[in-house]
Amino acid sequence: TQLLEQSPQFLSIQEGENLTVYCNSSSVFSSLQWYRQEPGEGPVLLVTVVTGGEVKKLKRLTFQFGDARKDSSLHITAAQPGDTGLYLCAGAPSNYQLIWGAGTKLIIKP
Amino acid sequence: GAVVSQHPSRVICKSGTSVKIECRSLDFQATTMFWYRQFPKQSLMLMATSNEGSKATYEQGVEKDKFLINHASLTLSTLTVTSAHPEDSSFYICSAKTGYEQYFGPGTRLTVT
Repeated sequence: TQLLEQSPQFLSIQEGENLTVYCNSSSVFSSLQWYRQEPGEGPVLLVTVVTGGEVKKLKRLTFQFGDARKDSSLHITAAQPGDTGLYLCAGAPSNYQLIWGAGTKLIIKP
Repeated sequence: GAVVSQHPSRVICKSGTSVKIECRSLDFQATTMFWYRQFPKQSLMLMATSNEGSKATYEQGVEKDKFLINHASLTLSTLTVTSAHPEDSSFYICSAKTGYEQYFGPGTRLTVT
């Protein structure tokens, strides 16, 4: 069974601080997606990383795919209250289903 | 990004009745759609994979006779919760696959009384 371990599961920090969320697996993924979900809504795709070592930036968010394509990280710089939400990573192994992390509930306090 | 709609967004039904939830890909065709269930403060749990023109593939522990899935076209999949019970109350989310990525609908909050 393929697993994707996401950490931390909960994070509450002050506005302006930096944070990193990790997703780790012993399995190789052909791609990995990061989603953000607001309460009562479906997940919204933030980014897809495909190449080992790839780094993508989305404003203050930096996404990295590990060289071996087994892990990924999401780094937020100078977090703002609007970044509050549930962040989910999902890896795509060779088949077409997604393997989901448990999610990170992020709260940014003003 | 691609847009996926889901209808209804909220539904309340009585125990023993059936409820149909629609999932549509609005600006792309999806040969594969997925149905998820999400409990409060938890990640998504895949229920089934819906393939256009063929039978859905259900995950272990998901009753196919209770959760009927129909993928009649490349832009529409439906999930029917039959003989609903209070324990079926949950947040149901569909997604449609294009390339590497899945795009999600806004979800349907089902409450069975």
